[in-house]
Amino acid sequence: DTGVSQDPRHKITKRGQNVTFRCDPISEHNRLYWYRQTLGQGPEFLTYFQNEAQLEKSRLLSDRFSAERPKGSFSTLEIQRTEQGDSAMYLCASSLQGEPEAFFGQGTRLTVV
Amino acid sequence: GNSVTQMEGPVTLSEEAFLTINCTYTATGYPSLFWYVQYPGEGLQLLLKATKADDKGSNKGFEATYRKETTSFHLEKGSVQVSDSAVYFCALSSSTSGTYKYIFGTGTRLKVLA
Repeated sequence: DTGVSQDPRHKITKRGQNVTFRCDPISEHNRLYWYRQTLGQGPEFLTYFQNEAQLEKSRLLSDRFSAERPKGSFSTLEIQRTEQGDSAMYLCASSLQGEPEAFFGQGTRLTVV
Repeated sequence: GNSVTQMEGPVTLSEEAFLTINCTYTATGYPSLFWYVQYPGEGLQLLLKATKADDKGSNKGFEATYRKETTSFHLEKGSVQVSDSAVYFCALSSSTSGTYKYIFGTGTRLKVLA
C-alpha cells in the first residue's frame, strides 16, 4: 500500500477559474476527510465521507466548494470561481471506521493569482 | 467545543538539547490525542498517539503522556537532532460527533542548530 495519494501536488490558477483536486485513500479505508491549511496555521476540517456518503461539512465549506466520493474510493474537491483567499494547502486523510488514527496525504498546494 | 492549545514557536535549540513542546486540550468525552510532524512542503506524518488517560505514546525518541487531570499531552525528547527541525502539531480526535475529525493546534516550529 502506498498510502494516501493526492494529485496534483501544486496548482497555480487565476482568480475566477475552477480547480479540482483528487485524493486516493488507503484502499481499505472507508472514511475520508478533507482539511485546509493556511500558512502558519494548523489544518482545519472541511468535510468527511463514510464510504460514498458525505456526512459532515464545515461552515468553512462555502457554496463554491463541492466534494464527492462517487464510489466510496477516491474523492474529488472542486473549488469554483477561485478567490485569493482560497490559497492554501488542501490535505486529504483516510481512516478505518471506528479507528481514531488518520493517515494524511502529501497535500495539494493551491495558489490563486 | 473541542480545542487544542500548543505553545507558540519558534523554538530554537542546540543539537542534543532537551525538548518540551506544551499542548493542552479541551474536549467532551474521551478524545484520542496525537502529535504530527510536518516537514517543509510536505503533508502530516503521525509521530505518536495515545488513546486513553495515562497512555504514553512514543516514537523515534519522542514521548508524550495523556494526562486527563491536567488535560495535557506535552511532547518531549531527550536529545534533539538537526533532522528534527520541522513543525509539530498537537491534535485530538473525538468520537462524540461520530466522525473522528481532528482538531489541530496552530503548530510549533522547531529549529535545531548544529
